[in-house]
Amino acid sequence: GENVEQHPSTLSVQEGDSAVIKCTYSDSASNYFPWYKQELGKGPQLIIDIRSNVGEKKDQRIAVTLNKTAKHFSLHITETQPEDSAVYFCAAILSSNTGKLIFGQGTTLQVKP
Amino acid sequence: KAGVTQTPRYLIKTRGQQVTLSCSPISGHRSVSWYQQTPGQGLQFLFEYFSETQRNKGNFPGRFSGRQFSNSRSEMNVSTLELGDSALYLCASSFNRVETQYFGPGTRLLVL
Repeated sequence: GENVEQHPSTLSVQEGDSAVIKCTYSDSASNYFPWYKQELGKGPQLIIDIRSNVGEKKDQRIAVTLNKTAKHFSLHITETQPEDSAVYFCAAILSSNTGKLIFGQGTTLQVKP
Repeated sequence: KAGVTQTPRYLIKTRGQQVTLSCSPISGHRSVSWYQQTPGQGLQFLFEYFSETQRNKGNFPGRFSGRQFSNSRSEMNVSTLELGDSALYLCASSFNRVETQYFGPGTRLLVL
């Protein structure tokens, strides 16, 4: 079935350190993997995404890697800042089920100044 | 471009009532998806509309319904509200069904 597992559920780092969040998906037909950041009282905001024909994508301090064989993808945030503190969600879409995002359980990231 | 807008932002209802939530997608976007967010279940897909047709439906009871208008605006309706329907209801729009989804701020529904 469709399932996305996300770890860890909470992550605390010192400002300037790196943070890594990992997700595993169950359906090999998944072909699109976005990451969202959600701050208190707001809707999820897209921060980066990757498609199944790409292994890695980077945007300034944020990068995502995808391992299709192992069916997992990861979010890497370098040089973390206090404003990076938020809940992060990974998600996946099946190629045959477009329009339906399957979300991970979320990771609460705390960046300590 | 203006982002996805949702109205109302907050709503309090009592059990048994019904509620209608509205979503205006980003200009030019034709696909609208709805999600329910709760602390216990996380983000769960409700349904997706494209070109005024429901294309996909999540595992929710028939009390949850929706529609999309010719201008791509969408509404979702929940009838016979239950306490467990208390949640943040999020709408997301995309240019077409395979492109990135952008979320609105959500409507927070409290059922008493």
